[in-house]
Order: sequence, then C-alpha cells, then structure tokens
Amino acid sequence: GESVGLHLPTLSVQEGDNSIINCAYSNSASDYFIWYKQESGKGPQFIIDIRSNMDKRQGQRVTVLLNKTVKHLSLQIAATQPGDSAVYFCAEMEYSTLTFGKGTMLLVSP
Amino acid sequence: KAGVTQTPRYLIKTRGQQVTLSCSPISGHRSVSWYQQTPGQGLQFLFEYFSETQRNKGNFPGRFSGRQFSNSRSEMNVSTLELGDSALYLCASSPRDSLNEKLFFGSGTQLSVL
Repeated sequence: GESVGLHLPTLSVQEGDNSIINCAYSNSASDYFIWYKQESGKGPQFIIDIRSNMDKRQGQRVTVLLNKTVKHLSLQIAATQPGDSAVYFCAEMEYSTLTFGKGTMLLVSP
Repeated sequence: KAGVTQTPRYLIKTRGQQVTLSCSPISGHRSVSWYQQTPGQGLQFLFEYFSETQRNKGNFPGRFSGRQFSNSRSEMNVSTLELGDSALYLCASSPRDSLNEKLFFGSGTQLSVL
C-alpha cells in the first residue's frame, strides 16, 4: 500500500519560554528511557536518560519526568533557544532494543 | 573521542541491486545497532551486534543482514533492493555494560532506491 508520511505533532514556542514535550510509552516492562533530539540531516543526539526506579532526572536545562502508573514520559526544556528547534523522540529500552516514539517537532521562534 | 562514523553518506541504487553500508563505532564500544528511519514508519530497529554476534533482530525480511568485525566495526547489507527500502539507515554504538547502555548515533546513510 501507499505509505503515508508521519504527521508529527508540533510544539511552537517563543525563545526564552519553557517547553514540555510529552510521550506515552507502551511497554510496562521497559526499564530504561531515553530522550533524543534530531536535527535535519543528522542522526539522533542523546539528551537525557532515566531508569524506571526514578521519577525525575535533571540535566543542563532539561528535566525528564517518568510516570510509570500511566506510562508517560515528559521532557522539559528550560529557557528554550532557537538552537533547540528539532524533532524530539522518546525511546524505551527492553532487551537492549530501543523502541522509538513518533517524535515531536519543536519550533522555537526568536 | 571520535563519534560514530557511517559511510557512505548518500547512496543511489536501482531496484534489484544490493548495497553494503558501513559503521565505525565509538572507540571502546562493543555494541553496534542498526535502525531504519522513514517518514512513514519512523525509527525501526533492524539488529544489534555485540562482540561479533547478533544479539537481537527486528522484524525485517531476510534481505537485510549484517555483521560485526573483531574491531567492532559493522556492516549491513540489503539484497534485492525494493523501492520501499529507501530510507535513512542509522548506526548506533554503545558500551553496553551494566553501568552504561546509552546509544550514540551516527549521521546515517541516506539510501535512495530508484
């Protein structure tokens, strides 16, 4: 059949705003989660990870929250900059294999 | 430390041909995984190699194969190319030890099948 392009959800923010990107995962047995950023023409770039025994982890300007009860993951970016514009993927790992979400496009306007 | 290196960066092939893609992992990383990225299906796992052994395989036909060498470099091969094989093929390396499972991706090989 004909393949249909993914219609990525898009989050548009102003420079300096805080951004929150959400992700629902499917496998309750997953014990490790990673957020990746992908810019045009590049491979996914590691941002931050979290294990299932934690519910929050902070990095530089980024925070990941994990809610295992509802199988939900979020990425918070503080003081969003134009260079943060990219597609963001959450990924869950089980048996050394990453399963990626569909991605969210973040657009940051100056 | 050099990142994950994939060659070639771009490839154009015709239906029925075969193709070999190459990946050099980050120095010291023993695990190499391959992923296919398309606009329709997103990022999908192909297979993972660790110490020259395939540890996991995704849901792809047998036309997709790979191998890993003793220096951890990896190749993947696609035989009898189909139009639907047009995609960005991404390689990721990982130390894959108990303390560090992070995957680091290369920039990919963009394959176009005509």
